[in-house]
Amino acid sequence: NAGVMQNPRHLVRRRVQEARLRCSPMKGHSHVYWYRQLPEEGLKFMVYLQKENIIDESGMPKERFSAEFPKEGPSILRIQQVVRGDSAAYFCASSSDRVSGNTIYFGEGSWLTVV
Amino acid sequence: AQKVTQAQTEISVVEKEDVTLDCVYETRDTTYYLFWYKQPPSGELVFLIRRNSFDEQNEISGRYSWNFQKSTSSFNFTITASQVVDSAVYFCALSEWTDKLIFGTGTRLQVFP
Repeated sequence: NAGVMQNPRHLVRRRVQEARLRCSPMKGHSHVYWYRQLPEEGLKFMVYLQKENIIDESGMPKERFSAEFPKEGPSILRIQQVVRGDSAAYFCASSSDRVSGNTIYFGEGSWLTVV
Repeated sequence: AQKVTQAQTEISVVEKEDVTLDCVYETRDTTYYLFWYKQPPSGELVFLIRRNSFDEQNEISGRYSWNFQKSTSSFNFTITASQVVDSAVYFCALSEWTDKLIFGTGTRLQVFP
């Protein structure tokens, strides 16, 4: 999977707690994409970030979800006041350039379970 | 609008059979990229292939081959002499002017011994 690191791999949260998922892109990559995979479904785009900027958040739920990619450190996907419907696998991918055509490698995913 | 359709939800075959996974896409762009990913039971996403819209040559990699036909907007994936280890969910995906991927709903392949 070419070095995209996600943690934690598995996270259990009770309803109304907060979940923070982290993604360190491949070395030299400054573009990060987050995807969500609900049980038995395909992956859906959530948000595309460049360092310190949100480029496209058209797939993010309007409430409770936020993402950032600071100048230093990993990208964070934050889910506030989690509900059972947030239980899913969250995948991060990175690329080196905004222009398309790059091979996109994914991290191993973070599995969130809300109990 | 962009869309990727994988009409086959689940396919079951016996080992050594050949199997083809279908992928049909929609896009208005003339430049785009198509991908296939494998998701084994362990859950990670494994990159298999990327193909750009200007390259319609078929590709073969070992037991895997891909047939890209712009005339029918299809990018089908064939596994020859399937093996139990090929059991996984396979996703087809499309990207246009950025690296944002539009995924199909996936095809679950079960290969029985």
